[in-house]
Amino acid sequence: QSALTQPRSVSGSPGQTVTISCTGTSSDVGGHNHVSWYQHHPGKGPKLMIFDVTKRPSGVPDRFSGSKSGNTASLTISGLQADDEADYYCCSFADSHAYVFGTGTKVSVL
Amino acid sequence: QVQLAQSGAEVKKPEASVKVSCKASGYSFTGNYLHWVRQAPGQGLEWMGWIIPHSGGTNYAQRFQGRVTMTRDTSISTAYMELTGLTFDDTAVYYCAREDSITWKNFDYWGQGTPVTVSS
Repeated sequence: QSALTQPRSVSGSPGQTVTISCTGTSSDVGGHNHVSWYQHHPGKGPKLMIFDVTKRPSGVPDRFSGSKSGNTASLTISGLQADDEADYYCCSFADSHAYVFGTGTKVSVL
Repeated sequence: QVQLAQSGAEVKKPEASVKVSCKASGYSFTGNYLHWVRQAPGQGLEWMGWIIPHSGGTNYAQRFQGRVTMTRDTSISTAYMELTGLTFDDTAVYYCAREDSITWKNFDYWGQGTPVTVSS
């Protein structure tokens, strides 16, 4: 199972909107509606931000939203804030009851 | 509150084995799948496999099959991940993560991570 493809980095000014893509195959992203997104600050455990493509856990601001089209899922952060600066990883359920993570995207707030 | 407390940092020589523990508290240990994920320096997250604490059933990522063993001790609400035949490429931070038993197929709580260094 190859890692899902994400852009290495994205950046934006406070208040702007950024979108991170996550491209897989029909065996993972395209074939299952179980894509999740995680925010990861170095030295800490990752934090769940989106699950099942579009759903937000309790406590996650509605500035974070998810979507999917074909083999590509996306995470959109609107109203960018300084504490959004982190690494973001997508993860998809895949065939054979396995999971595959994305390559990771560093979000920088200018 | 839900907590996953992992064992401390390890330094191992090549060809050795390492066993990392993950003690769960704040919920029923047997009610949720428990996954292991690692992150090598400068690299992304990599899923290693899961264990069903209730039954002991496991599913390992293909690239770790034959080298990884996931076990649990329900009497102390602790899961273990043992990796054998260590190489320098196994230097990483190893995380345990709980799969949400209501929504499934996502990881709602994570341990703090256990750094494992393979060095001669």
